[in-house]
Parts: sequence; structure tokens; C-alpha cells
Amino acid sequence: NAGVTQTPKFQVLKTGQSMTLQCAQDMNHEYMSWYRQDPGMGLRLIHYSVGAGITDQGEVPNGYNVSRSTTEDFPLRLLSAAPSQTSVYFCASTFNRGPGNTIYFGEGSWLTVV
Amino acid sequence: AQSVTQLDSQVPVFEEAPVELRCNYSSSVSVYLFWYVQYPNQGLQLLLKYLSGSTLVKGINGFEAEFNKSQTSFHLRKPSVHISDTAEYFCAVSVSGGGADGLTFGKGTHLIIQP
Repeated sequence: NAGVTQTPKFQVLKTGQSMTLQCAQDMNHEYMSWYRQDPGMGLRLIHYSVGAGITDQGEVPNGYNVSRSTTEDFPLRLLSAAPSQTSVYFCASTFNRGPGNTIYFGEGSWLTVV
Repeated sequence: AQSVTQLDSQVPVFEEAPVELRCNYSSSVSVYLFWYVQYPNQGLQLLLKYLSGSTLVKGINGFEAEFNKSQTSFHLRKPSVHISDTAEYFCAVSVSGGGADGLTFGKGTHLIIQP
């Protein structure tokens, strides 16, 4: 059972380039989300999905796009990278909205935009 | 909207000493409360959670937390820490029970264990 898998683990981008952070889970979870973690800021929600075909914005969505074509995958796209998007990105998933369900996090993707 | 304040950004403690990491929250509705731990270069792992019932919650690795509704606090404690407890600890709240859309995190507390 792989849990939540994120790729790549490390990436350096030039300003203006685009890229996609991949996230996959093999637990048949309905809910998936993307957070960014910045020093002294904790984790902030970027986008989330409550099921295939359904996505919504979180606290800091600007500059990011998501889609959910399958239950397993929830990619995060940076359309035109900016230095302010230098951060550590975490994907998370949980079975459903019930309070008893644990949220599982991936191991993170370190992104540097120069 | 809800918010979380972790009162200490960094807590140094000697090995085998007790520790308390403080967390206060603000919300106009009932919340669910969580503590997560992040070891260096890893993702977040759930330590414990309060959903309802007993206000004293026990988690993994010997940690426990007490929910205090009147003081809107959810402090994390461990009676005797080990070097392996060195990590970043995050308090989080949710009004939806922790579904992926609903976690609000504090800024984290770095626990430093000194030999």
C-alpha cells in the first residue's frame, strides 16, 4: 500500500516556466487536496477536490490549477511560475468528510523558482 | 472562519524532561482538533485528534492533549521526551471533521531535544 505518492520530490524552475506536480493515492479516497508550506506560515490550502470531476479553491489558489479526472490522481499545475511560489507542496487525501477519517499526507515536493 | 495560534515557534527541552506545546484556537462554531508531527524532510503524520467525548486524548509515541473549551485550547504534552521527538509539531482545527477541504493549521512549533 503506497499511500499518497508525490512526484517530483525536488524541482527547480525558471520564472515563467510551467510544470505539474503529480499526486496519486491508492486508497480509494474521495477527498484530495494540495497545501503549501512556507517557513513560519504552517500549511495553507491551495485547492481541494471532493471527488472525481469536482474541485474547489482553498485559501491561496492564485497561480495554480487543478483537475480531478480520476479518483486516484490530483495534479497541481503551475502555469507561469513565480519566485513567490518557491515552497514545499504537500498533497493529502482522506476517505470522506467524516471526522473519524485520518488525513494522509504525501512526503512533499520541494519547488524552487529562480 | 477559524484560526489557530501556536504560542511558541520553538521549544528547547532536555532529554527525558516533560514538554508542553501550546495551541489556542478561535472559531464561532464547534471544531475538531488535531496535532500533527513532521519529521525532517517528511510529510505530516497524525499524532492525535479530538472529535468529541473525553477531553483528554491520547495519541501515538506517548503524546496526549487536553481539550479545554472554556479556554479554547488544545495543548500537547509528553511526560518524558526523547531525542527522536525532535520535529515540527502542528496544531490544526476543522469544522468538517478533517475532510481534505477543512484543515486550518497553526504556524508550527519546532521541538528541540537537547541531550
